[in-house]
Amino acid sequence: GAGVSQSPSNKVTEKGKDVELRCDPISGHTALYWYRQSLGQGLEFLIYFQGNSAPDKSGLPSDRFSAERTGGSVSTLTIQRTQQEDSAVYLCASSLSATSGNTIYFGEGSWLTVV
Amino acid sequence: KQEVTQIPAALSVPEGENLVLNCSFTDSAIYNLQWFRQDPGKGLTSLLLIQSSQREQTSGRLNASLDKSSGRSTLYIAASQPGDSATYLCAVKETGANNLFFGTGTRLTVIP
Repeated sequence: GAGVSQSPSNKVTEKGKDVELRCDPISGHTALYWYRQSLGQGLEFLIYFQGNSAPDKSGLPSDRFSAERTGGSVSTLTIQRTQQEDSAVYLCASSLSATSGNTIYFGEGSWLTVV
Repeated sequence: KQEVTQIPAALSVPEGENLVLNCSFTDSAIYNLQWFRQDPGKGLTSLLLIQSSQREQTSGRLNASLDKSSGRSTLYIAASQPGDSATYLCAVKETGANNLFFGTGTRLTVIP
């Protein structure tokens, strides 16, 4: 596609429910990132995928968070048993390859509100 | 752990002024540094990418410099316009690391 696409753009969910956030990276980009941006805070790294390599999950805040990337393209970030502190914007980004120092392109984010 | 700081947190200037945004980082072993723009309610738009071997990059009215030894980068905006109003974020990628370390940004307002 022309850019990184994320869905849903907005999600309101009840505490304790599971949510899935989807990211469709730019076609041909092998590197994919998930970040979280809380109100008034900087961007927090969550997880990174590069091609068929094992993902770097070092940023996931708890075991309620998981992500997968199918076929080296679309990625899904899942948050189980959501808590109010999970409310944030979840941003997905992609680049041609992380190791080549290419520009990283971000989607417009999925705004999650847990009530 | 790499820490990225951006000062000031907010800046207001009249239209037409030239301005400089600052970014500092604690660990100089970086692979590259990238400046982004974020409009309210939107994602990040990449402005300039400087590789560790470079000293500056230019795009239109924007010029970004990098001084690895002092752990600093600046983003210079010439002849500012109201449309430049946004939050500007810098991010560094360390050698051998997968993720970017972001500053908390400078919120710029250009007053017509």
